[in-house]
Amino acid sequence: AQSVTQLDSHVSVSEGTPVLLRCNYSSSYSPSLFWYVQHPNKGLQLLLKYTSAATLVKGINGFEAEFKKSETSFHLTKPSAHMSDAAEYFCVVSARYGNKLVFGAGTILRVKS
Amino acid sequence: DAGVTQSPTHLIKTRGQQVTLRCSPKSGHDTVSWYQQALGQGPQFIFQYYEEEERQRGNFPDRFSGHQYPNYSSELNVNALLLGDSALYLCASSLYKVGDRGTEAFFGQGTRLTVV
Repeated sequence: AQSVTQLDSHVSVSEGTPVLLRCNYSSSYSPSLFWYVQHPNKGLQLLLKYTSAATLVKGINGFEAEFKKSETSFHLTKPSAHMSDAAEYFCVVSARYGNKLVFGAGTILRVKS
Repeated sequence: DAGVTQSPTHLIKTRGQQVTLRCSPKSGHDTVSWYQQALGQGPQFIFQYYEEEERQRGNFPDRFSGHQYPNYSSELNVNALLLGDSALYLCASSLYKVGDRGTEAFFGQGTRLTVV
């Protein structure tokens, strides 16, 4: 079965510094991977997705992620954090059949001024 | 273009009662999935509906059931509510594509269910 592990439950950065949110996946097939963001009292919003094309994926709001098969990782990065980036981030893998999504436990990003 | 809409936004029920949550998918989408997000956890897949049939189901008891209508809207029903059913219930819509695991899912803002 497929699964994702988000290595940090909380990450705290200062505004203007880089962001790194770590995610490892487990899958017996070539996976589709996603990062979603959830702001308080808001729905989940797709940041970016990897579907076996380019391994470096660019998303919205300056975020990007790199698929590394050898490390089974899909870490999310942003060069410079903004206060509005404070939210919970979920790494997600798509099941082998159908559109079922398997979520990680989430990483809460705090941005300090 | 309206996105995914869910109703109600909040709900308080008593143990043992039954509840129905509703979801209207994004225009043009034909597949609806339901997720349960307990406090401090990631969403867990409940089930998925396509062409008015349940196509996939997660590890949830039969107390959880659903329905999809011809206009693609969907309902989630939970019977015999337990305190542990308290959670944010999220609806996601997508467009079904055979063999495509990269289809983007759009989420509603959820229904916050509290069981007392």
